[in-house]
Order: sequence, then C-alpha cells, then structure tokens
Amino acid sequence: QSVLTQPPSVSAAPGQKVTISCSGSRSNIGNGRHYVSWHQQLPGTAPKLLIYQDNKRPSGIPDRVSGSRSGTSATLDITGLQTGDEADYYCGTWDNTLSAYVFGPGTKVTVL
Amino acid sequence: QVQLQQSGPGLVKPSQTLSLTCAISGDSVSSQSVSWNWIRQSPSRGLEWLGRTYYNSKWSSDYAVSVKSRISINSDTSKNQFSLQLNSVTPEDTAVYYCVRDGGWKYDYWGQGTLVTVSS
Repeated sequence: QSVLTQPPSVSAAPGQKVTISCSGSRSNIGNGRHYVSWHQQLPGTAPKLLIYQDNKRPSGIPDRVSGSRSGTSATLDITGLQTGDEADYYCGTWDNTLSAYVFGPGTKVTVL
Repeated sequence: QVQLQQSGPGLVKPSQTLSLTCAISGDSVSSQSVSWNWIRQSPSRGLEWLGRTYYNSKWSSDYAVSVKSRISINSDTSKNQFSLQLNSVTPEDTAVYYCVRDGGWKYDYWGQGTLVTVSS
C-alpha cells in the first residue's frame, strides 16, 4: 500500500487534456523540502523522467507536459493528448517517516 | 550521455543471494551530488526504492527499511560500477530490478531492467 495516492486510470480523446493527481501527506509531498517527480512508463520499458523538482522538464520533454505541487498534493497535466502518451505515469518523492523514496501506484492514461 | 548497463542472473533460488551489477558510462560512480540507486518493480509492490550509495567526501549508503537487514549496495571505482546484493531471497523478491542515477532530485538515467525470478 503506497503512501501516495493516484487514480488508477484517466482517459481523454486525442488533442484533449488529462490531469493526474498525486496525493500524499506532510511526511512527503507536504514537506516543502521534498520535490515531486513524475515518470512515464511505456509497456516493457524502464520508467522515463518527465518532470523533476515539481515542475521542471528534462530536455526533450515537450511543454505540453507540466507539473505542479500545492500542499500535500501534486498534479501532472498533459495537453494536446497523443496516442503515444498512452502509458503508466508515476509520481514520487521522499518520505520522512519511511526515510525512503516512495512512488505512487501509477495511473494508466488511455487515449480514446 | 550517461548509460547504465545491468548484468546478473535472472533466476535465484529461495534463501540464496541476489546479485546484480550496474556498469556506468558517461559519468563516474564517485561523482559528488549524485547517487546510485536500485529500484525494483513488481505487480504486487509497484515501484519500490531499495537503496542508494553515494560519495560525498566519503562513501555512504541508505536502505529501505523493508530490506535493510538483507541488502548491501556497494561501489567499485576501479570498474566504475555499483552493485546490489540481496540476501535470503523469497518469491516475494521476484521483480524487475533497475539501477538508476539520481542526478539531484531526479531519477534521470535508468538501466534496462533485469527480471529476477526467485524459484527453486
């Protein structure tokens, strides 16, 4: 059972927007010193970094992908949805109580 | 460009030791401000951080509580690699294991993953 909560799935039509939430606590996301990251995982591949330090994009990640954090929650937005965005998405951050990096259970994005 | 190449057996017997190695190219295992991590993934446990090693004037390691009594992550500067040893494995340790670089609050480079099955 993860200490971070994500919806199991979200879906939208091509060109539309999806929002994935990641809910935690003061021990992790709510601790202002712990950044949130987001990873995308395509079937059979290793996770790929999408967002780090709450809202920064590595080079090569398009600006239609964005992240934010407020209080004990974080959000990943993907606009202009494409079929190539169909994947599992994971949030993650450090947890003070567990003294460990923790990941959410993942959200499957489906493009209708 | 950093690349991480994993090696090690895909099948381990129960009660034995799981050993994996991650060879680094494009960076140094002794780089300061980065850490070298092992993360595993299974259907039952999802993505699970196991631990890390890093150099900051001296070598240090941190481990997840869930495996702390059984795990060791070490570095080999002569081969520019780091390794995972997990003792006394059970079928619950069956997972895909990844070596990962933390480049400063970002798991930016991942190995290709190794499926390790614990079975007799």
